[in-house]
Amino acid sequence: GENVEQHPSTLSVQEGDSAVIKCTYSDSASNYFPWYKQELGKRPQLIIDIRSNVGEKKDQRIAVTLNKTAKHFSLHITETQPEDSAVYFCAASTASKLTFGTGTRLQVTL
Amino acid sequence: NAGVTQTPKFRILKIGQSMTLQCAQDMNHNYMYWYRQDPGMGLKLIYYSVGAGITDKGEVPNGYNVSRSTTEDFPLRLELAAPSQTSVYFCASNPRGGGSNQPQHFGDGTRLSIL
Repeated sequence: GENVEQHPSTLSVQEGDSAVIKCTYSDSASNYFPWYKQELGKRPQLIIDIRSNVGEKKDQRIAVTLNKTAKHFSLHITETQPEDSAVYFCAASTASKLTFGTGTRLQVTL
Repeated sequence: NAGVTQTPKFRILKIGQSMTLQCAQDMNHNYMYWYRQDPGMGLKLIYYSVGAGITDKGEVPNGYNVSRSTTEDFPLRLELAAPSQTSVYFCASNPRGGGSNQPQHFGDGTRLSIL
């Protein structure tokens, strides 16, 4: 089955700096890659997603890149703000199922 | 505009007891999923369903059962609760026909403790 690895497990940045989270996947048939943000005690919420026919997608301060050849994708957050502090999960989709990474705890310090 | 609704929000069970976690969605989604999230970890798929009457195992199905008699409801049953099943359980759904290429919508979760 699909295996998704996510790095780093924790990330601390100063407000205004950029944050990058990286994921790799194993199944070349995976064709959909969402990113979820989860605040403490809350449900995961989709923040951005990318499909396998696209190399990059941007939404305001958030961008995702996909390298199908290398089987990795990354989340980029620019101009980080304290409200960006949360756990971020990447995922890869094969057929009907999502496989999640283990999460990155992002802390944005003042 | 309820989306995905899970009940109960919290529950404490004794070892060996059974219970059903309820999940309902009002978006007419065909695909529904159950995940568990252990502290500090990612989400692991327990069971999923691609439509009424159809269910399939995910990564960690042992100790659980599901049914899907209607499009709206996808209950998860624990028959003999064990401490290893202490976790937060999330239900999610996909739009009709979207399959894997559509975002999953999550419920607020059920926090289950087994003592």
